[in-house]
Amino acid sequence: ETTVTQSPMFLSAAPGHTVNITCKATEDIDDDLNWYQQKAGGLVVLLIREATTVVSATPPRFRGSGHGFDFTLTIQPLQPEDAADYFCLQHDGFPQTFGQGTRVEVK
Amino acid sequence: EVHLEQSGAEFKKPGESLQISCKGSGYNFAIYWIAWVRQMPGKGLEWMGIIYPDDSDARYTPSFRGQVTFSVDKSVSTAYLQWTSLKVSDTAKYYCARGLDADSWGQGTPVIVSS
Repeated sequence: ETTVTQSPMFLSAAPGHTVNITCKATEDIDDDLNWYQQKAGGLVVLLIREATTVVSATPPRFRGSGHGFDFTLTIQPLQPEDAADYFCLQHDGFPQTFGQGTRVEVK
Repeated sequence: EVHLEQSGAEFKKPGESLQISCKGSGYNFAIYWIAWVRQMPGKGLEWMGIIYPDDSDARYTPSFRGQVTFSVDKSVSTAYLQWTSLKVSDTAKYYCARGLDADSWGQGTPVIVSS
C-alpha cells in the first residue's frame, strides 16, 4: 500500500503571504495525486488533479507541483477565505490513500 | 453538472443496522466508480473502498473489509453503504465521491452511534 505523508499539520500565515503544503509518497506515483479543500468539516472540493492541473473553479492563486514522490500545494497570495483543511490523495492504485491533512489559519 | 446527493443524518444505537445512500446525477452513473470515505470526528479522511455501478464490482480497503458492505442500484443511480451491527466507533461523517480519483463529492452523511 502506498502511503503519503503530509506536512505541516498546521500552519498560520497572514493574508498576502505564500504557503506551501507538501505530500511525500512512499512509492513513485507519477502524477497521480490530487489536492482538496475542506471548510469547517463540510464539503470537500477538488482543487488540483494530476499533481498540477488546476480544476476550472479553483482560483489561480492555487498551484500544484511535483512528480513521482514529492508534491507541493502552493497558495500565493493567501486570502482570508482560504482558511480550511487541505488534503492530498494518491490515486496511483488501490487502495487510494489520503495525507493526514493540513489546517491553514489566516491571521 | 455532476452532483452526488447523500441521505440525511442518522442517529442509531449500537447493534442496529443502517444503510445510507448516494445518488448521482449529471453524468453516466454506471461507468464511474463510487468511492466511500470516512471522516471520524476531528480527524482526517480515510478511503474505505470503491464500487463499480455497472457490474457491482466492490473492493474494500483492508481495515474496512467485513465491517461494511457496498451495494448499488444503477437503475436509480444510487450507491449504498451498509452496516449490519453498528458500533459506537462507527460514529463519523461518511462521504461518497465519484471515480478512482474522487473528482466530485457528496455533502456527507453524519452517522452518530450512541446508547
